[in-house]
Formats: sequence, C-alpha cells, structure tokens
Amino acid sequence: EDQVTQSPEALRLQEGESSSLNCSYTVSGLRGLFWYRQDPGKGPEFLFTLYSAGEEKEKERLKATLTKKESFLHITAPKPEDSATYLCAVRDYGQNFVFGPGTRLSVLP
Amino acid sequence: DTGVSQNPRHKITKRGQNVTFRCDPISEHNRLYWYRQTLGQGPEFLTYFQNEAQLEKSRLLSDRFSAERPKGSFSTLEIQRTEQGDSAMYLCASSTEGYEQYFGPGTRLTVT
Repeated sequence: EDQVTQSPEALRLQEGESSSLNCSYTVSGLRGLFWYRQDPGKGPEFLFTLYSAGEEKEKERLKATLTKKESFLHITAPKPEDSATYLCAVRDYGQNFVFGPGTRLSVLP
Repeated sequence: DTGVSQNPRHKITKRGQNVTFRCDPISEHNRLYWYRQTLGQGPEFLTYFQNEAQLEKSRLLSDRFSAERPKGSFSTLEIQRTEQGDSAMYLCASSTEGYEQYFGPGTRLTVT
C-alpha cells in the first residue's frame, strides 16, 4: 500500500532562515511526486511535479528535489508570506493520489 | 475567474440528513477528483472521473457516498444519512493528462 510521511510536522523559522522539508514515500510504481501549498481554509495550490530520481524544480524561494525514497522542499531565505502547510503527494499506476499529512511552516518576521 | 469552483462553501446539517455538493472544474480539464480532508491531515482520495466515467473509487468510500459527472462537465457528490464522522472539508480537483491537479476552495461540512 502506498504511504507518504512528512517531517517535521511543524516548523518555525525566522525570516531569512533557510531550511528543508522532507517527504518520504513508499509506492509500487511512482508516476509522479507532487508538492502543494495550502493556506488555512483554502484548497491546495499546485507547486511542483517530479517524476524521476535526480530531478529538481525551482520556483522563487522554493526548490524541490527527488530521490528514490524521498523528496525535499528547500526554502531559501523565507518570508512571512511563505507561511502555510506544505503537502506532498504521490501517484502510482492508478489515479489514486496519496497525500502526506503536511508540514505546517510558520515564518516569523 | 477560470479556476475550480465549489458550492456551497459551507454546509451545516443534522445527522441523518442528505447533502449534495457541486464542483465546476476548469473547462478544458477532462479529469475530476473528489477528496476529503480533516483537520491536520492531507486530502484523502475518494473518487475519480475521466470525462463522465467514474473510473476509480476509494475502498474507504462508504455506500452512503455517491458521485456523478453528467456530460463530463460539473460533478456532484452526495452523502446520504450523514454521520458526525462525515464532518470534513470536501475538495474537488481537476486536471488534464498532465496529472497536475488544480483544487477548488472546498466545501466545509459540519454534521451536528
């Protein structure tokens, strides 16, 4: 059965303090690993898709990387507006997308 | 606004009542997904449509839940005989063949 875990559960950073979020997964056949950002009371907002080990994607202060067992979301010099829950999801050979529980990020000014 | 829309945004119902939610996907997207999300958890997959065909349903989806997507456009999710455990945010997402899902704002259901 596909499983996704994320760590840490919550992270508090000072503005400008870079860090990384972890997503570990077990999937029978990876057809994509997805990162989303979710603000309170809203639906998830798509950030990145990664398909194969070694792949990297960047967007503003965010960079996502993928290995065979985990993915990292690196946040460089975060700002308070980066505060949100970051969700990781995997898709296997079906259309069943399995989400992790998320990491709640707070960036303090 | 050409994003995914969901209605209503909030629904409060009494236990035992039936509720129906609506999702309007991005117009050119042929794939539509329903998820349920509870506090502190990630979205949990419920069901998937490609055009009007319901192709996958979660094993966790109770018989009280039914979804339709007539003519491959909007979709409805109905919950019959609601229970307090059904209280959650119900999310709809749509996509094209590229698997990148775009989510709506969700419908928050409270069962009293």
